[in-house]
Amino acid sequence: DQQVKQNSPSLSVQEGRISILNCDYTNSMFDYFLWYKKYPAEGPTFLISISSIKDKNEDGRFTVFLNKSAKHLSLHIVPSQPGDSAVYFCAASGDSWGKLQFGAGTQVVVTP
Amino acid sequence: NAGVTQTPKFQVLKTGQSMTLQCAQDMNHNSMYWYRQDPGMGLRLIYYSASEGTTDKGEVPNGYNVSRLNKREFSLRLESAAPSQTSVYFCASTPLNPGNTIYFGEGSWLTVV
Repeated sequence: DQQVKQNSPSLSVQEGRISILNCDYTNSMFDYFLWYKKYPAEGPTFLISISSIKDKNEDGRFTVFLNKSAKHLSLHIVPSQPGDSAVYFCAASGDSWGKLQFGAGTQVVVTP
Repeated sequence: NAGVTQTPKFQVLKTGQSMTLQCAQDMNHNSMYWYRQDPGMGLRLIYYSASEGTTDKGEVPNGYNVSRLNKREFSLRLESAAPSQTSVYFCASTPLNPGNTIYFGEGSWLTVV
């Protein structure tokens, strides 16, 4: 039973435009959400996170929005750059920090 | 600053063989984790160690054992490898306090034939 879902396996966006990645979850006990970026043959690297007490967190070109009532979060990348081409994983943490539930990932391709 | 280091990076095993994946972190983190990633799926937690001397099962523990040797090291053992354990394995660590970044190693690619 997948508790974190990323329904778009891939996203293609033009350089300079906005990338929007979506993530849905089912467990209302999740209280912390994270986005990770992964390049081929490397481990996931932390991108940005948000606590369930907030609805927005911003870090440079990356903004995460949380809608608790809809159990939905999204990651906005503005402007998109070719180096942003990677797989992005949404993850959630609940009863024990570090025990993350991951979505299946979204492959982002930024074209010139 | 090495962060989280995993060895080996690549391994091919025959069905029934055993092996141990090693993980070490140099950030003085309390908690360590082993995840596996399969095609089309997110990472799934195999085992974790909240602190030195403790280990607990994650989502997919069957076929694996772990040892938290000391604060730095957390190993994952496959006693009798099966083709279903062909995967990419990631070790991770984090400080105890919630909200801190979780750091991942670069991964270990394991193929069981």
